[in-house]
Amino acid sequence: KAGVTQTPRYLIKTRGQQVTLSCSPISGHRSVSWYQQTPGQGLQFLFEYFSETQRNKGNFPGRFSGRQFSNSRSEMNVSTLELGDSALYLCASRQPGQGDTGELFFGEGSRLTVL
Amino acid sequence: TQLLEQSPQFLSIQEGENLTVYCNSSSVFSSLQWYRQEPGEGPVLLVTVVTGGEVKKLKRLTFQFGDARKDSSLHITAAQPGDTGLYLCAGTFNTGKLIFGQGTTLQVKP
Repeated sequence: KAGVTQTPRYLIKTRGQQVTLSCSPISGHRSVSWYQQTPGQGLQFLFEYFSETQRNKGNFPGRFSGRQFSNSRSEMNVSTLELGDSALYLCASRQPGQGDTGELFFGEGSRLTVL
Repeated sequence: TQLLEQSPQFLSIQEGENLTVYCNSSSVFSSLQWYRQEPGEGPVLLVTVVTGGEVKKLKRLTFQFGDARKDSSLHITAAQPGDTGLYLCAGTFNTGKLIFGQGTTLQVKP
């Protein structure tokens, strides 16, 4: 069974640009969560999608948005990039029926550098 | 705001030593998970604890959930270089969000 796949793995952008990151969950997983990981802040929850609906949202500005497609694949978008958006963006999927105690399966992340 | 505090943030020890990592919150967890992350990879689940006072063992790792479900600890016996990594606790609160601690970076030197 293929794991969670994130693309691209690495990307460099400049301030003011926008970026779209993609996540393909494990087959059969309908819940997809996004996290931002930085050395100073650790893993910060961005949002969670389930069956194409946003189920939970973290405390990030509106520049951060996401969506989920009918095949459970998810994308997140960051507009008007700032230097502080440089981070590792992790996507995680969860098995259906596991509730909030279910294991999160993480991808390897997309490392974004904003210059 | 629900926060998880992990301590220590960094730990560098010799092979064979024991260590304990702590995870605390002022709020009650519905459940708590421990993950380990190695460089260039995403976190991988080690254990989930749900019941106050619960103790789980995974080889040389012992996980404990506090009676009041506000704290947890991870104890490693006879650490080995392969235990090196970032250890993260993650708690689920009544909001349904999974909140991560800042992590403990463990280095085990041979």
